[in-house]
Amino acid sequence: DVKVTQSSRYLVKRTGEKVFLECVQDMDHENMFWYRQDPGLGLRLIYFSYDVKMKEKGDIPEGYSVSREKKERFSLILESASTNQTSMYLCASSDRGPDNEQFFGPGTRLTVL
Amino acid sequence: LAKTTQPISMDSYEGQEVNITCSHNNIATNDYITWYQQFPSQGPRFIIQGYKTKVTNEVASLFIPADRKSSTLSLPRVSLSDTAVYYCMTNTGFQKLVFGTGTRLLVSP
Repeated sequence: DVKVTQSSRYLVKRTGEKVFLECVQDMDHENMFWYRQDPGLGLRLIYFSYDVKMKEKGDIPEGYSVSREKKERFSLILESASTNQTSMYLCASSDRGPDNEQFFGPGTRLTVL
Repeated sequence: LAKTTQPISMDSYEGQEVNITCSHNNIATNDYITWYQQFPSQGPRFIIQGYKTKVTNEVASLFIPADRKSSTLSLPRVSLSDTAVYYCMTNTGFQKLVFGTGTRLLVSP
């Protein structure tokens, strides 16, 4: 079974803190994604990566950065957390090609106070 | 800007067929249409994907009309365990991944 794991299920941080969200997949997938999920807005793509050290902006990259140093790991970084970044963050991975099935992690619910 | 819309919620009873329609008026020629299911406290899970006409797998069918401006996910004989949020998604390459806002399906006994 494909497994996508995220470092934390729940996280509480203070405004201005630097936040790291880690995602690891065990299926040797080329593509990895970070989404945020908010009520009434569905899933919105923050960043994606189609190869090691490659990254591309999604729809809402402002306030976020990412890192992919190894194929199995994709990190989302909030350089200076703000209250409007309180959300559910979902990581996903898929095999090569944009149309392939995405496998999602369980999500990290981040609260910024 | 591509936009994908779907009903906010739907109610059904066990054993009924449920059809959830998604509107994607600005779908591009190369876009695929994919549906995901999400249970509370879990990430979305792939259900079905199609490009045109009809696709069927062991859990659902996907109907796509000729103009491809909408698609309908059909769940035959739903059970209580089908209570979830259902998302449609269109994608033309990575930078055009557009999820709908989700349809909350409640199945009652």
